[in-house]
Amino acid sequence: EIVLTQSPGTLSLSPGERATLSCRASQSISTNHLAWYQQKSGQAPRLLIYGASSRATGIPDRFSGSGTGTDFSLTISRLEPEDFAVYFCQEYGRSRAFGQGTRLDIK
Amino acid sequence: EVQLLESGGDLVQPGGSLRLSCAASGFTFSSYAMAWVRQTPGKGLEWVSAITGGGGDTFHADSVKGRFTISRDNSKNTLYFQMNNLRAEDTGVYYCVKGSASVRPYHFDYWGQGVLVTISP
Repeated sequence: EIVLTQSPGTLSLSPGERATLSCRASQSISTNHLAWYQQKSGQAPRLLIYGASSRATGIPDRFSGSGTGTDFSLTISRLEPEDFAVYFCQEYGRSRAFGQGTRLDIK
Repeated sequence: EVQLLESGGDLVQPGGSLRLSCAASGFTFSSYAMAWVRQTPGKGLEWVSAITGGGGDTFHADSVKGRFTISRDNSKNTLYFQMNNLRAEDTGVYYCVKGSASVRPYHFDYWGQGVLVTISP
């Protein structure tokens, strides 16, 4: 079973700043089957990134994903007020496991 | 526009049963895998069950194997989830999710709004 560990647990930043979220896998993720989801309070998760770096339909280009093997990251280049939420990574090639999430708070 | 509308969430006693439904629209239902993902206080987001587009293959997490059954009716564009022998740790929000393909590997590209399942005496 693949375990995904996200860091930090909470990230406090201001609008306009750059955010970098990390997702580390306990085993190498083949073919970059890694996705990122955003969940706002009281809402369902929404797909942001799949294939480690491909943006989903309608996702602004300030969101970008990168990484390979066991280390992946989600970067938000300039934070907008609506970006403050919880972010989850997921491996979908073998285990479908989710990370525990990173909460992005307004500083 | 893809829409996934879940129903059937309720308060149930331990050992009881519940059936969730998910009405899908806005895409060719039979061409895509579907799944149930739950969000619980104890484990966060957890994939629970999945079914291929044609319905011929189903998959369940170890935590629910033998208790929960996923199925679909492609003529009705509806996904089902039969939950038996419910436990307190099954309490959470259950999401109907659409896969990005008919068979693995696929990510979850659309999510329903979720239904609350509460297991309590």
